Amino acid sequence: DIVLTQSPALAVSLGQRATISCRASQSVSISRYNLMHWYQQKPGQQPKLLIYRASNLASGIPARFSGSGSGTDFTLTINPVQADDIATYYCQQSRESTWTFGGGTKLELK
Amino acid sequence: QVQLQQSGAELVKPGSSVKISCKASGYTFTSYDMHWIKQQPGNGLEWIGWIYPGNGNTKYNQKFNGKATLTADKSSSTAYMQLSSLTSEDSAVYFCARSPTMADYFDYWGQGVMVTVSS
Repeated sequence: DIVLTQSPALAVSLGQRATISCRASQSVSISRYNLMHWYQQKPGQQPKLLIYRASNLASGIPARFSGSGSGTDFTLTINPVQADDIATYYCQQSRESTWTFGGGTKLELK
Repeated sequence: QVQLQQSGAELVKPGSSVKISCKASGYTFTSYDMHWIKQQPGNGLEWIGWIYPGNGNTKYNQKFNGKATLTADKSSSTAYMQLSSLTSEDSAVYFCARSPTMADYFDYWGQGVMVTVSS
């Protein structure tokens, strides 16, 4: 299975930029498709899709969220961070038939 | 609007089975894959498998072969997951999540069902 590695936590100040990374144990890109997706989860809630296929903003998601990357290295950027963004963020790959998630990055206030 | 409404929390005994449900509304149930994802307390997310309600095709994470069985009832737009031979390792929140067919991400999620395995 493809293993996705995320830093456990990231501390940011409100109004600043947050950069959350996800590294895959092997490439998750096929041709022009980067099969990496990002979700936000708040305590006691279900995850919410933010970004699909590395850089596409999901419906209803604010433009302060963006995604980039290809191959094995991907980034979710939140700029500027707002109080409502304090949550845990997960990456997910669909390159292989067994889809896997990263361990999550908890975004905290500095 | 798309909604995935899951059944209520379950407290079950070790060695038993449990069947949880996910009722879909607001879209054509038979045109989207339905996935199930496990989240143990304080832990990350683990993909269990999917079912395509249109024809009943399924695919499982090898780790959950023999543990989870996915079914769907087109008449009620409801997906089900049965978990068997339960142990404490099966105590978790279980989510259903929709995936557009031929896509590879989850665009809508149910609220989750807490399953607690305890004697």
